[in-house]
Amino acid sequence: DGGITQSPKYLFRKEGQNVTLSCEQNLNHDAMYWYRQDPGQGLRLIYYSQIVNDFQKGDIAEGYSVSREKKESFPLTVTSAQKNPTAFYLCASSILSGQGNSPLHFGNGTRLTVT
Amino acid sequence: GEDVEQSLFLSVREGDSSVINCTYTDSSSTYLYWYKQEPGAGLQLLTYIFSNMDMKQDQRLTVLLNKKDKHLSLRIADTQTGDSAIYFCAEKQGGSYIPTFGRGTSLIVHP
Repeated sequence: DGGITQSPKYLFRKEGQNVTLSCEQNLNHDAMYWYRQDPGQGLRLIYYSQIVNDFQKGDIAEGYSVSREKKESFPLTVTSAQKNPTAFYLCASSILSGQGNSPLHFGNGTRLTVT
Repeated sequence: GEDVEQSLFLSVREGDSSVINCTYTDSSSTYLYWYKQEPGAGLQLLTYIFSNMDMKQDQRLTVLLNKKDKHLSLRIADTQTGDSAIYFCAEKQGGSYIPTFGRGTSLIVHP
């Protein structure tokens, strides 16, 4: 079955440490996205990528970094510069279609807790 | 700029119909989506509607679109406790592949 896999489901880190969240898809989608979800704030876009070796900042990119070395993979690193990293992180993918239907497909999320 | 608004909470009794509302601002929206998020999980696409349609029905789900008022609604018939979740409305503008999401409506179904 095609889908998006995020790992791990729960992650605990000490303040000051960088941490990398994994996202893999086998849907053959060109576009991939990272969102952050906080209670009552909906989804906020961190980074997105349309093609391998290229990515763009979203609305809240500060303190985060990404890479897109393979079409299937889009890992997110939460750096020590991120002031409030505890949140639920969602990865998504989609086809690239400006005029056509291109819903996002989501993974099951990673809950990061930093103490 | 674009904006998608939803009320934050809706409480219904099991067996009743639920109606979740959404308003958006961009008249160039082409596709509008409803997603469901269960606790601790990702978002699951429930249904979508193209902007030249007024209504779409899929089993217990009915989507109504009023383009003039930029208003979208999701009706869930015979609501069950398993329908308790957060429901997100999203719009996709023509020429863009990144949708804009609302903040989500928490649907609480009680016996």
